[in-house]
Amino acid sequence: DQQVKQNSPSLSVQEGRISILNCDYTNSMFDYFLWYKKYPAEGPTFLISISSIKDKNEDGRFTVFLNKSAKHLSLHIVPSQPGDSAVYFCAASEEFGGYQLTFGKGTKLSVIP
Amino acid sequence: GAGVSQSPRYKVTKRGQDVTLRCDPISSHATLYWYQQALGQGPEFLTYFNYEAQPDKSGLPSDRFSAERPEGSISTLTIQRTEQRDSAMYRCASSLARVAAKNIQYFGAGTRLSVL
Repeated sequence: DQQVKQNSPSLSVQEGRISILNCDYTNSMFDYFLWYKKYPAEGPTFLISISSIKDKNEDGRFTVFLNKSAKHLSLHIVPSQPGDSAVYFCAASEEFGGYQLTFGKGTKLSVIP
Repeated sequence: GAGVSQSPRYKVTKRGQDVTLRCDPISSHATLYWYQQALGQGPEFLTYFNYEAQPDKSGLPSDRFSAERPEGSISTLTIQRTEQRDSAMYRCASSLARVAAKNIQYFGAGTRLSVL
């Protein structure tokens, strides 16, 4: 059973609009969450993270929101740019004693010029 | 090095052969991870090292899989008697601290293994 779920395999958004990527998790021991971005033929690169003691973390055009009670997080990209087109992976780990990342299946974002 | 380097980028082998994949982490990174990524899936944890110690092998799918990091830097992942189901992307990542919680893992480009 998947502990981290990204239920949308793909998403298309117009340039300049907001992109919202969603992620749900089932393991209540997870309390640190990361988003990775992956271009073709490259490895995943870290984008942004959030600890469970926060409900929002912002870095430029990227904001991650965490709703712990719903076990849900989302990544907002505003405004979306064509260079944001990539696969986005949600990942989670346990903050204390955790080391491995548990990944979702990814969402392919296409930003249309 | 500047980033995590993996070799080879592509490996095609025949069923039953042994293969060894190599990972050169970011210098000074204490912790190194191996993940397996099937097509259309996210990376799945295999094992990790803190320097040369390997505290957890629980993600390795079978005893045909083994990993080493004898001097605490470069690591190898060996798959013995390969099977077609071993075909996947194998990713290596490294992070700075001994405890990975809250530490960002930096990934290499991966080795694409195809077992015919």
